[in-house]
Amino acid sequence: KAGVTQTPRYLIKTRGQQVTLSCSPISGHRSVSWYQQTPGQGLQFLFEYFSETQRNKGNFPGRFSGRQFSNSRSEMNVSTLELGDSALYLCASSLALTGGGEKLFFGSGTQLSVL
Amino acid sequence: KQEVTQIPAALSVPEGENLVLNCSFTDSAIYNLQWFRQDPGKGLTSLLLIQSSQREQTSGRLNASLDKSSGRSTLYIAASQPGDSATYLCAVNYGGATNKLIFGTGTLLAVQP
Repeated sequence: KAGVTQTPRYLIKTRGQQVTLSCSPISGHRSVSWYQQTPGQGLQFLFEYFSETQRNKGNFPGRFSGRQFSNSRSEMNVSTLELGDSALYLCASSLALTGGGEKLFFGSGTQLSVL
Repeated sequence: KQEVTQIPAALSVPEGENLVLNCSFTDSAIYNLQWFRQDPGKGLTSLLLIQSSQREQTSGRLNASLDKSSGRSTLYIAASQPGDSATYLCAVNYGGATNKLIFGTGTLLAVQP
């Protein structure tokens, strides 16, 4: 069974640009979550989707947005990039949204560098 | 505020040693707690998941315990190997219709051959 796939693996952008990251969950998984990881702030929750609906959102500005498609694949978008957006963006999937009963499976992440 | 802290931030041990990593959380009303491993530049691998009703979970050389009343969890690694070198993260799920995790600060482990 294929794991969580994130593309692209690396991205270099300049300030002011926008970027779209993609995540394909494990087959059959319906819940997708996104996290940002930086050396200073560690791992922080961005948002999560279940059955194409955003179920929870972290404390990030509106420049960060996401969506989920009917096949459970998810994308996140960051508009008007800032230097501080440089980070490893991780996607995780699970079967459902049971509130604590399941392991999360993470992808290898997209390393975003903003110059 | 729900916070998760890990001590120590870094640890270096000789191969073969048994070791304990600590995780503390401020709000004890958790649904579960997971321990993850992260290799440099990579994603996270789930090691153990402990439900709030459980006291411990074991997988091979790994044993994780949970004490909700004191807001603490420990990850015990027996007979450490150089391949165990990685960052170890604990993460708490407070439940509800969400899989949102609150992550600890991590412990960077180096096992010297």
